[in-house]
Amino acid sequence: GDKVKQSPSALSLQEGTNSALRCNFSIAATTVQWFLQNPRGSLINLFYLVPGTKENGRLKSAFDSKESYSTLHIRDAQLEDSGTYFCAAENTNKVVFGTGTRLQVLP
Amino acid sequence: EAAVTQSPRNKVAVTGGKVTLSCNQTNNHNNMYWYRQDTGHGLRLIHYSYGAGSTEKGDIPDGYKASRPSQENFSLILELATPSQTSVYFCASGDLGGVNTGQLYFGEGSKLTVL
Repeated sequence: GDKVKQSPSALSLQEGTNSALRCNFSIAATTVQWFLQNPRGSLINLFYLVPGTKENGRLKSAFDSKESYSTLHIRDAQLEDSGTYFCAAENTNKVVFGTGTRLQVLP
Repeated sequence: EAAVTQSPRNKVAVTGGKVTLSCNQTNNHNNMYWYRQDTGHGLRLIHYSYGAGSTEKGDIPDGYKASRPSQENFSLILELATPSQTSVYFCASGDLGGVNTGQLYFGEGSKLTVL
């Protein structure tokens, strides 16, 4: 919701291109998680981050706690990357979600 | 592999009826969470728990109760279901703030329709 704002809300990419998703926090986030919700509705863990960066294959994520934002970079987008991406911020043992970025990868 | 199992996966209830959604985790995580997902709102936290016997209010607790009788089980209870509670409900476990990984692991979701 308002505590975690994701942008853009929706995005279409050509297969093979790159993009970046962003989350801005109005709460003091200690950790950040990124999830992909696939077309079946399952929530798949992508990253769990303390301040810093992580990389996994074509995905890379960064979390800057001082500037209160996190990014998710997708390189060489594939059709199976389509779905809704959620970021979630931890604050005092509660995890608050953004409203998601709906990504469609086009052939 | 972390495992969180929800039941039922689909439920149709009548207005005013009682609904219980159950969640079981085999991760031995201390914390468990109930979220609901609605279009335009993402996932919103209803109740959570730090361990057996503990329940805490999340951001939207009105109309819901929770019960944590054991480390493994966490239930969400709608005493008097209303159509506005039609949604998809997700349970998760995790050990945020503790010494474990801190990731949330989600169940597959429970679709509730209140007529």
